[in-house]
Amino acid sequence: SQQGEEDPQALSIQEGENATMNCSYKTSINNLQWYRQNSGRGLVHLILIRSNEREKHSGRLRVTLDTSKKSSSLLITASRAADTASYFCATQGGSYIPTFGRGTSLIVHP
Amino acid sequence: DAGVTQSPTHLIKTRGQQVTLRCSPKSGHDTVSWYQQALGQGPQFIFQYYEEEERQRGNFPDRFSGHQFPNYSSELNVNALLLGDSALYLCASSLGQAGEKAFFGQGTRLTVV
Repeated sequence: SQQGEEDPQALSIQEGENATMNCSYKTSINNLQWYRQNSGRGLVHLILIRSNEREKHSGRLRVTLDTSKKSSSLLITASRAADTASYFCATQGGSYIPTFGRGTSLIVHP
Repeated sequence: DAGVTQSPTHLIKTRGQQVTLRCSPKSGHDTVSWYQQALGQGPQFIFQYYEEEERQRGNFPDRFSGHQFPNYSSELNVNALLLGDSALYLCASSLGQAGEKAFFGQGTRLTVV
């Protein structure tokens, strides 16, 4: 079963626009991580936010976490064609087994 | 510094056969986790190896087994292959059992016919 569920399933935007994708989960977590996957290949770790943190930044990425709503969002600012990929959230609870969602497919048109 | 390497990149097997996939972790990492990713889905955790022992296991049958060697490299074995085992198999390495900020390999695409 998959705990994290990303929304929307697919997102299509123009280069330069911002892209926002959301992740909802069901049980308590220790941390939440966002990964990117290009064309069904390996995943690349983007950012980790712990349960006691509310917001983190990394370059053009901004992640928020609302543990009361059991949700997180990933914002990519000033998107580029190279950002085209699938984005997954992964939650880790007490067992530290990572649980991935189905992902958001992002297409950035040049 | 090589990242996580997996072999082979592609594999075609027949139902009922057995398969072995291999993974070399990123230099300095001691923990290897394996995932199965079906088309259009997120990765599903199979199991994790640390100090040459299986430490965590996801909801996969005993047909899925693994091994970790003293140099931290790992193998995933799948017996009695089913059509439904067709997927991308990903290996991820990390430092320590918590498995945070894992580095993933490019995966092995297994097709069962």
